Amino acid sequence: GQSLEQPSEVTAVEGAIVQINCTYQTSGFYGLSWYQQHDGGAPTFLSYNALDGLEETGRFSSFLSRSDSYGYLLLQELQMKDSASYFCAVARMDSSYKLIFGSGTRLLVRP
Amino acid sequence: EAQVTQNPRYLITVTGKKLTVTCSQNMNHEYMSWYRQDPGLGLRQIYYSMNVEVTDKGDVPEGYKVSRKEKRNFPLILESPSPNQTSLYFCASSRTGNEQYFGPGTRLTVT
Repeated sequence: GQSLEQPSEVTAVEGAIVQINCTYQTSGFYGLSWYQQHDGGAPTFLSYNALDGLEETGRFSSFLSRSDSYGYLLLQELQMKDSASYFCAVARMDSSYKLIFGSGTRLLVRP
Repeated sequence: EAQVTQNPRYLITVTGKKLTVTCSQNMNHEYMSWYRQDPGLGLRQIYYSMNVEVTDKGDVPEGYKVSRKEKRNFPLILESPSPNQTSLYFCASSRTGNEQYFGPGTRLTVT
Protein backbone atom coordinates (compact mmCIF):
# COMPACT_ATOMS: atom_id res chain seq x y z
CA GLY A 1 0.00 0.00 0.00
CA GLN A 2 0.90 3.64 0.17
CA SER A 3 0.68 6.19 2.95
CA LEU A 4 1.85 9.66 3.89
CA GLU A 5 1.98 10.96 7.43
CA GLN A 6 2.23 14.60 8.43
CA PRO A 7 1.11 16.39 11.60
CA SER A 8 -2.40 17.76 11.47
CA GLU A 9 -1.63 21.07 13.16
CA VAL A 10 1.39 23.17 14.08
CA THR A 11 1.45 26.51 15.90
CA ALA A 12 4.40 28.91 15.90
CA VAL A 13 5.23 32.50 16.69
CA GLU A 14 5.87 35.20 14.13
CA GLY A 15 9.58 35.41 13.33
CA ALA A 16 10.29 31.86 14.46
CA ILE A 17 11.30 28.77 12.49
CA VAL A 18 8.98 25.80 12.02
CA GLN A 19 9.56 22.37 10.51
CA ILE A 20 6.74 20.27 9.06
CA ASN A 21 7.65 16.60 8.71
CA CYS A 22 6.37 14.10 6.19
CA THR A 23 6.98 10.37 6.21
CA TYR A 24 5.84 8.20 3.36
CA GLN A 25 5.50 4.62 2.32
CA THR A 26 5.03 3.91 -1.35
CA SER A 27 6.35 1.92 -4.27
CA GLY A 28 7.81 3.58 -7.33
CA PHE A 29 8.88 6.67 -5.39
CA TYR A 30 9.93 9.44 -7.75
CA GLY A 31 10.03 12.62 -5.67
CA LEU A 32 8.47 14.68 -2.88
CA SER A 33 6.65 17.98 -3.38
CA TRP A 34 5.24 20.58 -1.04
CA TYR A 35 2.20 22.76 -1.61
CA GLN A 36 0.69 25.64 0.33
CA GLN A 37 -3.03 26.31 0.50
CA HIS A 38 -4.68 29.30 2.16
CA ASP A 39 -8.28 28.99 3.32
CA GLY A 40 -10.59 29.32 0.34
CA GLY A 41 -7.73 29.22 -2.12
CA ALA A 42 -6.07 26.77 -4.46
CA PRO A 43 -2.89 24.86 -3.65
CA THR A 44 0.28 26.54 -4.84
CA PHE A 45 3.56 24.78 -5.51
CA LEU A 46 6.42 25.42 -3.07
CA SER A 47 9.17 22.91 -3.78
CA TYR A 48 10.15 19.55 -5.23
CA ASN A 49 12.90 17.14 -4.14
CA ALA A 50 13.90 14.18 -6.26
CA LEU A 51 17.34 13.68 -4.69
CA ASP A 52 18.51 13.54 -1.09
CA GLY A 53 19.40 16.84 0.49
CA LEU A 54 18.16 20.32 1.10
CA GLU A 55 16.58 22.65 -1.46
CA GLU A 56 16.32 26.30 -0.49
CA THR A 57 13.95 28.87 -1.95
CA GLY A 58 13.95 32.10 -0.02
CA ARG A 59 12.48 31.60 3.45
CA PHE A 60 11.36 28.08 2.59
CA SER A 61 13.57 24.99 2.43
CA SER A 62 12.69 21.38 1.76
CA PHE A 63 14.64 18.28 2.66
CA LEU A 64 14.47 14.69 1.47
CA SER A 65 16.01 11.46 2.70
CA ARG A 66 15.04 8.65 0.36
CA SER A 67 16.65 5.98 2.56
CA ASP A 68 14.50 7.09 5.52
CA SER A 69 11.36 7.76 3.42
CA TYR A 70 11.23 11.13 5.10
CA GLY A 71 11.14 14.76 4.20
CA TYR A 72 10.39 18.09 5.78
CA LEU A 73 9.49 21.64 4.92
CA LEU A 74 11.31 24.34 6.87
CA LEU A 75 9.82 27.80 7.11
CA GLN A 76 12.05 30.55 8.47
CA GLU A 77 11.27 34.07 9.67
CA LEU A 78 7.61 33.18 9.94
CA GLN A 79 5.11 35.80 8.89
CA MET A 80 1.40 35.99 9.63
CA LYS A 81 0.69 35.35 5.94
CA ASP A 82 2.33 31.93 6.29
CA SER A 83 -0.73 30.73 8.21
CA ALA A 84 -2.09 28.13 5.81
CA SER A 85 -2.28 24.40 5.19
CA TYR A 86 0.81 22.65 3.88
CA PHE A 87 0.64 19.41 1.95
CA CYS A 88 3.41 17.00 1.13
CA ALA A 89 2.87 14.98 -2.02
CA VAL A 90 4.65 11.90 -3.24
CA ALA A 91 5.24 11.47 -6.94
CA ARG A 92 5.01 7.85 -8.00
CA MET A 93 6.21 6.44 -11.27
CA ASP A 94 5.30 2.85 -12.02
CA SER A 95 3.45 2.36 -15.29
CA SER A 96 2.53 6.02 -15.22
CA TYR A 97 3.01 9.17 -13.19
CA LYS A 98 0.79 9.83 -10.15
CA LEU A 99 0.79 12.37 -7.35
CA ILE A 100 -0.39 11.27 -3.89
CA PHE A 101 -1.13 14.01 -1.34
CA GLY A 102 -0.92 13.86 2.42
CA SER A 103 -3.88 15.08 4.45
CA GLY A 104 -2.17 18.38 5.22
CA THR A 105 -0.69 20.30 8.15
CA ARG A 106 -2.49 23.41 9.30
CA LEU A 107 0.04 26.04 10.38
CA LEU A 108 -1.10 28.83 12.64
CA VAL A 109 1.32 31.73 13.08
CA ARG A 110 0.67 33.81 16.20
CA PRO A 111 1.89 37.36 16.75
CA GLU B 1 -1.14 35.64 -17.79
CA ALA B 2 -0.34 31.95 -17.24
CA GLN B 3 -3.32 30.31 -15.64
CA VAL B 4 -5.62 27.35 -15.21
CA THR B 5 -9.31 28.17 -15.42
CA GLN B 6 -12.26 26.12 -14.28
CA ASN B 7 -15.96 26.56 -14.84
CA PRO B 8 -18.30 26.73 -13.13
CA ARG B 9 -16.83 27.83 -9.80
CA TYR B 10 -19.93 26.82 -7.89
CA LEU B 11 -22.59 24.30 -8.84
CA ILE B 12 -25.59 22.87 -7.05
CA THR B 13 -27.29 20.00 -8.83
CA VAL B 14 -29.52 17.02 -8.20
CA THR B 15 -28.73 13.34 -8.15
CA GLY B 16 -28.48 11.80 -11.60
CA LYS B 17 -28.28 14.98 -13.66
CA LYS B 18 -25.21 14.81 -15.90
CA LEU B 19 -22.75 17.63 -15.55
CA THR B 20 -19.40 18.73 -16.93
CA VAL B 21 -16.76 20.85 -15.24
CA THR B 22 -14.43 22.45 -17.75
CA CYS B 23 -10.71 23.01 -17.26
CA SER B 24 -8.42 24.95 -19.54
CA GLN B 25 -4.74 25.94 -19.32
CA ASN B 26 -2.75 28.37 -21.45
CA MET B 27 0.76 27.19 -20.57
CA ASN B 28 1.04 24.45 -23.20
CA HIS B 29 1.43 21.88 -20.46
CA GLU B 30 1.26 18.22 -21.37
CA TYR B 31 0.23 16.94 -17.95
CA MET B 32 -3.22 17.69 -16.55
CA SER B 33 -5.04 16.25 -13.59
CA TRP B 34 -8.26 16.40 -11.58
CA TYR B 35 -8.41 16.22 -7.79
CA ARG B 36 -11.15 16.30 -5.22
CA GLN B 37 -10.61 17.75 -1.78
CA ASP B 38 -12.63 16.68 1.22
CA PRO B 39 -12.11 17.74 4.86
CA GLY B 40 -9.46 15.66 6.58
CA LEU B 41 -8.60 13.73 3.41
CA GLY B 42 -6.37 16.14 1.57
CA LEU B 43 -6.40 16.07 -2.22
CA ARG B 44 -7.16 12.82 -3.98
CA GLN B 45 -6.39 12.31 -7.63
CA ILE B 46 -9.36 11.37 -9.81
CA TYR B 47 -7.90 11.17 -13.32
CA TYR B 48 -4.85 12.49 -15.06
CA SER B 49 -3.57 12.88 -18.58
CA MET B 50 0.02 12.78 -19.78
CA ASN B 51 -0.86 14.12 -23.23
CA VAL B 52 -3.62 14.44 -25.81
CA GLU B 53 -5.75 11.28 -26.02
CA VAL B 54 -3.81 9.76 -23.08
CA THR B 55 -5.71 9.49 -19.82
CA ASP B 56 -5.38 7.26 -16.78
CA LYS B 57 -7.15 6.63 -13.50
CA GLY B 58 -6.02 8.16 -10.26
CA ASP B 59 -6.98 6.92 -6.82
CA VAL B 60 -10.71 7.73 -6.90
CA PRO B 61 -11.96 7.45 -10.51
CA GLU B 62 -15.33 5.79 -9.84
CA GLY B 63 -18.25 7.88 -11.06
CA TYR B 64 -16.10 10.20 -13.18
CA LYS B 65 -15.02 10.43 -16.81
CA VAL B 66 -12.51 12.65 -18.55
CA SER B 67 -11.38 13.36 -22.08
CA ARG B 68 -8.31 15.04 -23.57
CA LYS B 69 -9.04 15.91 -27.16
CA GLU B 70 -6.97 19.08 -27.10
CA LYS B 71 -3.84 19.90 -25.15
CA ARG B 72 -5.34 22.88 -23.36
CA ASN B 73 -8.65 21.34 -22.22
CA PHE B 74 -9.39 18.55 -19.77
CA PRO B 75 -13.09 18.40 -18.82
CA LEU B 76 -14.39 16.33 -15.91
CA ILE B 77 -17.69 14.60 -16.55
CA LEU B 78 -20.10 13.22 -13.96
CA GLU B 79 -22.58 11.08 -15.88
CA SER B 80 -24.88 10.45 -12.92
CA PRO B 81 -23.80 12.51 -9.92
CA SER B 82 -24.52 11.24 -6.42
CA PRO B 83 -24.39 13.04 -3.05
CA ASN B 84 -21.05 11.41 -2.18
CA GLN B 85 -19.53 13.39 -5.05
CA THR B 86 -20.24 16.62 -3.20
CA SER B 87 -16.76 18.07 -2.89
CA LEU B 88 -14.29 20.76 -3.89
CA TYR B 89 -12.69 19.94 -7.23
CA PHE B 90 -9.37 21.20 -8.54
CA CYS B 91 -7.88 20.92 -11.98
CA ALA B 92 -4.11 21.20 -12.33
CA SER B 93 -1.59 21.30 -15.13
CA SER B 94 2.15 20.79 -15.29
CA ARG B 95 4.96 20.56 -17.80
CA THR B 96 6.47 17.49 -16.13
CA GLY B 97 4.00 16.49 -13.41
CA ASN B 98 6.29 17.64 -10.60
CA GLU B 99 5.32 21.31 -10.32
CA GLN B 100 1.57 21.53 -10.68
CA TYR B 101 -0.44 24.70 -11.24
CA PHE B 102 -3.93 24.54 -9.82
CA GLY B 103 -7.11 26.16 -11.00
CA PRO B 104 -9.31 28.14 -8.58
CA GLY B 105 -11.53 25.18 -7.73
CA THR B 106 -15.15 24.18 -8.32
CA ARG B 107 -17.40 23.65 -5.34
CA LEU B 108 -19.99 21.02 -6.25
CA THR B 109 -23.04 20.13 -4.19
CA VAL B 110 -25.20 17.17 -5.22
CA THR B 111 -28.56 16.92 -3.46
